[in-house]
Formats: sequence, structure tokens, C-alpha cells
Amino acid sequence: DAGVIQSPRHEVTEMGQEVTLRCKPISGHDYLFWYRQTMMRGLELLIYFNNNVPIDDSGMPEDRFSAKMPNASFSTLKIQPSEPRDSAVYFCASSISYAYEQYFGPGTRLTVT
Amino acid sequence: DAKTTQPNSMESNEEEPVHLPCNHSTISGTDYIHWYRQLPSQGPEYVIHGLTSNVNNRMASLAIAEDRKSSTLILHRATLRDAAVYYCILRENSNYQLIWGAGTKLIIKP
Repeated sequence: DAGVIQSPRHEVTEMGQEVTLRCKPISGHDYLFWYRQTMMRGLELLIYFNNNVPIDDSGMPEDRFSAKMPNASFSTLKIQPSEPRDSAVYFCASSISYAYEQYFGPGTRLTVT
Repeated sequence: DAKTTQPNSMESNEEEPVHLPCNHSTISGTDYIHWYRQLPSQGPEYVIHGLTSNVNNRMASLAIAEDRKSSTLILHRATLRDAAVYYCILRENSNYQLIWGAGTKLIIKP
């Protein structure tokens, strides 16, 4: 199995631009998680899906952030407009079911200038 | 959410056992204890988890105190590739979320 796939691996953009991060979970996993990691705040859960349905988005920082999962093999995290404080590493993770371990992707390092 | 306390960093020699402690004095009866690690420039990686009994897998062992207020992750023979940040996390049985702390940075000396 290829594991969780994220793209792009690195993204540099200017303040005010739209950014879209992509994730392909492991086939057969029905939970998908989006995390953000910064030096100041560590790893934070932004949102998670179960069977393509958003379950808890209380970690999404503000309305500039949105996430979708149109099918079982694809999810996006969009930031519009982006701000310098959004600079972080964004991880996607998937899990086969409730209570099972989460498998993380390699992350997308986002830099907003 | 129940919290965990870990040392900021630890050092160990290569090919020696490593014991990584974690305190979780506010743990409830249904909280699972999870350990993940994050190697430099990579995403976190699952290591092991348990509820009450000690657990072993190919990566490590998890020793859970009888009162469950603390646990210890044991790497039986550390290698340089085990240098990482190790996170001890409590997961509520009713809540799928993992609440991440700062973790312990493990340094392996050759």
C-alpha cells in the first residue's frame, strides 16, 4: 500500500491567495483527519470525516478554512484568503475504524509570505 | 480532556534499552493510552496502545501501572533511527480525537 498521499509537499504563496491542500487516504479507511503542526502550538486537529461526512470541525481556526471529502479516496483543505499566520505543516491521516491507529501522510509545508 | 506529562527530552546510548515515562494522573477508566512518534521531517507514526494490560509489538512494549496513572514506553534496543519525538496520548473511548502534547525528544548517542 502506498500509504496516505498528500500534495503538494511544499507550497509557497503570497498573502491573500487561495491555497488547496490535497489528501488521498489509505484505501478502505473510513476515517480521515486533517491536522496542523506549528512550533508554537504543536499538533492540532482541524477536522475529521467519517465515511466522507464531516463529524467535528471545531478545530478549524476560522471561516477562511474549509475542508471537503467528495469521495472515499480524496479530500481537500482550502484556505481562502491565506495569511502569514497560516504557515505550518499540514498533515492528513486516515484510520480503518474507530479506535484504530491513525496513519499519517508526509505533510504539506505551507509558507505564506 | 485528560492530560499527559512527559519529560521534554531524554538521551540514550545506541543498542541500549530506553524507558520513556508518561504521567496521566487524571486518566479515566475508559481512556486508552496511545504512543506515537515523529521522526524528523515526517508525519507521526503509530507505535503502540493499551488500556490496562501491558502490550508488546514489533516496535516496542508498553508497561501500564496498576493504577493506570502512569505508563512507560520501552524500546528494547535503541538504534539511531529511533531518534524522534515520542508522544503519549490519552484517547477517550467516546471521543475519537487524539489530544497531542509536546512529547519527549529522544536523542540516541552512537
